[in-house]
Amino acid sequence: TQLLEQSPQFLSIQEGENLTVYCNSSSVFSSLQWYRQEPGEGPVLLVTVVTGGEVKKLKRLTFQFGDARKDSSLHITAAQPGDTGLYLCAGEVNDMRFGAGTRLTVKP
Amino acid sequence: NAGVMQNPRHLVRRRGQEARLRCSPMKGHSHVYWYRQLPEEGLKFMVYLQKENIIDESGMPKERFSAEFPKEGPSILRIQQVVRGDSAAYFCASSPRSLGRGIYGYTFGSGTRLTVV
Repeated sequence: TQLLEQSPQFLSIQEGENLTVYCNSSSVFSSLQWYRQEPGEGPVLLVTVVTGGEVKKLKRLTFQFGDARKDSSLHITAAQPGDTGLYLCAGEVNDMRFGAGTRLTVKP
Repeated sequence: NAGVMQNPRHLVRRRGQEARLRCSPMKGHSHVYWYRQLPEEGLKFMVYLQKENIIDESGMPKERFSAEFPKEGPSILRIQQVVRGDSAAYFCASSPRSLGRGIYGYTFGSGTRLTVV
């Protein structure tokens, strides 16, 4: 079983739609990160959240850390084809552990 | 990704050969992590190293796999007597410190794609 469960596993939407992906765990994390990975490349850090209830915005992306620091969500407004990729969450316990990711496809 | 250098990008080995994967961390980073990724899956932690020390190898298979991070030079992930099941993408990441490293995030390399034929 994964320490971090990400849902949905796959998501295909049209350009301009909004979407939310989730990262859940039964463990408490001192910090949680979101990465995006494109085919053939390594993951690239998008954001780190540290405080329970914290909300961070990065242009059209909104990240939220749950109050209990066990879960997080990523909301994308008006998705664009350039948002296509694998979105990974990673939680720090003693080390960084990754979820299996949400594979997002945004169709033009 | 440009800060963490991994080579080679692609590596083809026959069953039974050895594979050596190299990782040079970002300048100023002294902590190196290796992850493995199978197609359509997330990243699986393998090993965490500092210079000349293995800190956590709980994710690494007990046989055929080893890792080092010498005082000078890159970190090396070594797979002996490769089998087809070793085919995967292997990613290296680095961070500037251990405590609270989640705050700083990991910088990943572009990976080495190992194919065992």
